[in-house]
Amino acid sequence: EAQVTQNPRYLITVTGKKLTVTCSQNMNHEYMSWYRQDPGLGLRQIYYSMNVEVTDKGDVPEGYKVSRKEKRNFPLILESPSPNQTSLYFCASSSVNFPYGYTFGSGTRLTVV
Amino acid sequence: AQSVTQPDIHITVSEGASLELRCNYSYGATPYLFWYVQSPGQGLQLLLKYFSGDTLVQGIKGFEAEFKRSQSSFNLRKPSVHWSDAAEYFCAVGAKNRDDKIIFGKGTRLHILP
Repeated sequence: EAQVTQNPRYLITVTGKKLTVTCSQNMNHEYMSWYRQDPGLGLRQIYYSMNVEVTDKGDVPEGYKVSRKEKRNFPLILESPSPNQTSLYFCASSSVNFPYGYTFGSGTRLTVV
Repeated sequence: AQSVTQPDIHITVSEGASLELRCNYSYGATPYLFWYVQSPGQGLQLLLKYFSGDTLVQGIKGFEAEFKRSQSSFNLRKPSVHWSDAAEYFCAVGAKNRDDKIIFGKGTRLHILP
């Protein structure tokens, strides 16, 4: 089944403790992206990647890092999480070939205390 | 500036009634338009998309949307809603140039009365 898999689904952590949220897709998509979803603010893009070793900042990249060493994986790294990074995070992927549309993961609900 | 506006934050309709969710966009290039649905605890699922051709687009789950260039709108419709349609709906706009990212609206939460 074609899918984007995120782990973990739920995470509670303390301020400053480094964490990684993993994202993997099995559709051989070139494009991958991370979003955060907050009430009243909708979806905001954090980082995206057009292909392996190619990443770029989205609208709200501060406090986050990403890497794209393999085509299928696009982990999101929070080096020193803070409470304002408490949010629902989504990974998405798509082909770069037209027509396209995102496939989303099921989300990771992160709470930083 | 490129933007997507969903004017209604919440909409409540009775089961069996018709539905229309509004979406207006501002985009410099030829827009490519999407509707996504997010059920509670789930990720976003693509309902339908418009790239060209017939301005009335059919999607999954009995939804359709109509592209009106003169009104910069892409409203989502369903003739008769079911309780399982309760969810949040997102309109999005993108471009054929894959370097242009997809921009999402802030969403409309749909509530269904029994």
